[in-house]
Amino acid sequence: KAGVTQTPRYLIKTRGQQVTLSCSPISGHRSVSWYQQTPGQGLQFLFEYFSETQRNKGNFPGRFSGRQFSNSRSEMNVSTLELGDSALYLCASSGGRQLGEKLFFGSGTQLSVL
Amino acid sequence: AQSVTQPDIHITVSEGASLELRCNYSYGATPYLFWYVQSPGQGLQLLLKYFSGDTLVQGIKGFEAEFKRSQSSFNLRKPSVHWSDAAEYFCAVGLQGAQKLVFGQGTRLTINP
Repeated sequence: KAGVTQTPRYLIKTRGQQVTLSCSPISGHRSVSWYQQTPGQGLQFLFEYFSETQRNKGNFPGRFSGRQFSNSRSEMNVSTLELGDSALYLCASSGGRQLGEKLFFGSGTQLSVL
Repeated sequence: AQSVTQPDIHITVSEGASLELRCNYSYGATPYLFWYVQSPGQGLQLLLKYFSGDTLVQGIKGFEAEFKRSQSSFNLRKPSVHWSDAAEYFCAVGLQGAQKLVFGQGTRLTINP
């Protein structure tokens, strides 16, 4: 069974641009969560999608948005990039139906904003 | 607000020695608690989890953790570490079960040969 796939692996953008990151969950998983990882703030929850609906949301500005498609693949978009958006963005997938279930993480997309 | 504290930013132990990584949480209800490990350039892998039942939980790779409600702690232990255990370890509280995790700042583990 293929794991969680995130593309691209690395990305370099400049301030003011926008970026879209992609996450393909494990086959059969319907929940996709997104996390931002930085040296200063650590791992922070962005949002979670289940069956194409945003089910949980973290405390990030509206520049951060996401969506989920009918095949459970998810995209995350960041508009008007700022230097502080430089981070490793991780997505995780799960079945989405049990509170204590295991999350499977991808290797992440490393975003650098210049 | 819910929070997770890992007091030790960096720990160094010798191969074969025992290990304990500390985790304290602040959460009003019965928490869902997790330990994840992250190797360089990789995503996170679940080591173990707790949400009810026996307060001593066993995980993968020989790790175990003990939930102590009175101390709001969920410390991770391993009796004998291997060089391959060198990684960063994260404790987390699940606000909506596993679907919305609050992570601690992580503890970087270095193994001396």
